[in-house]
Amino acid sequence: QQQVKQSPQSLIVQKGGISIINCAYENTAFDYFPWYQQFPGKGPALLIAIRPDVSEKKEGRFTISFNKSAKQFSLHIMDSQPGDSATYFCAASVGQKVTFGIGTKLQVIP
Amino acid sequence: GAGVSQSPRYKVAKRGQDVALRCDPISGHVSLFWYQQALGQGPEFLTYFQNEAQLDKSGLPSDRFFAERPEGSVSTLKIQRTQQEDSAVYLCASSLDPRAGGTDTQYFGPGTRLTVL
Repeated sequence: QQQVKQSPQSLIVQKGGISIINCAYENTAFDYFPWYQQFPGKGPALLIAIRPDVSEKKEGRFTISFNKSAKQFSLHIMDSQPGDSATYFCAASVGQKVTFGIGTKLQVIP
Repeated sequence: GAGVSQSPRYKVAKRGQDVALRCDPISGHVSLFWYQQALGQGPEFLTYFQNEAQLDKSGLPSDRFFAERPEGSVSTLKIQRTQQEDSAVYLCASSLDPRAGGTDTQYFGPGTRLTVL
């Protein structure tokens, strides 16, 4: 059972555009929602994270929007750059256990 | 400082062989995690250690999988009698302070890519 559903699985955005990745979860016990970035041959790296008592968090060009009632959250990458090309995972955790989405492969074209 | 390191980076095993995968966490990190990442999928939780204690092994797919961290630092994931479905990247992560709960940042190693023929 996929507890964290992520879409789209692949995304192509032009340089300077906005990349949007959406996630939904089922388990209302989740209390922390991180996003990870993974480059080929590397492990995932934490990008940005949010708690469910906050509706939005912004760090530089990256923004998480969180809708607790809908059990949905999304990542927006503003002014997308070719260096942002990577796979992005949303995740949700309760305690130490982190559940990842399937991933979105983002390609930013010049 | 050094990040999480894993060895070997690549491992090819014949079906039925036993394999051992090593993880060196960041020095001083109390918590250590193992994940399995199948091709085109997100990482899936396998097991979690706090120091030498294995507090959660609910994600281990079968009794062929065994993990240990005897001195609370280096950890080994062992897979006995490997099967083709065990082919995946095995990721190790560590975090500093378990008192922070799930909000404590997990730092991932580069993974070991296991291919079972």
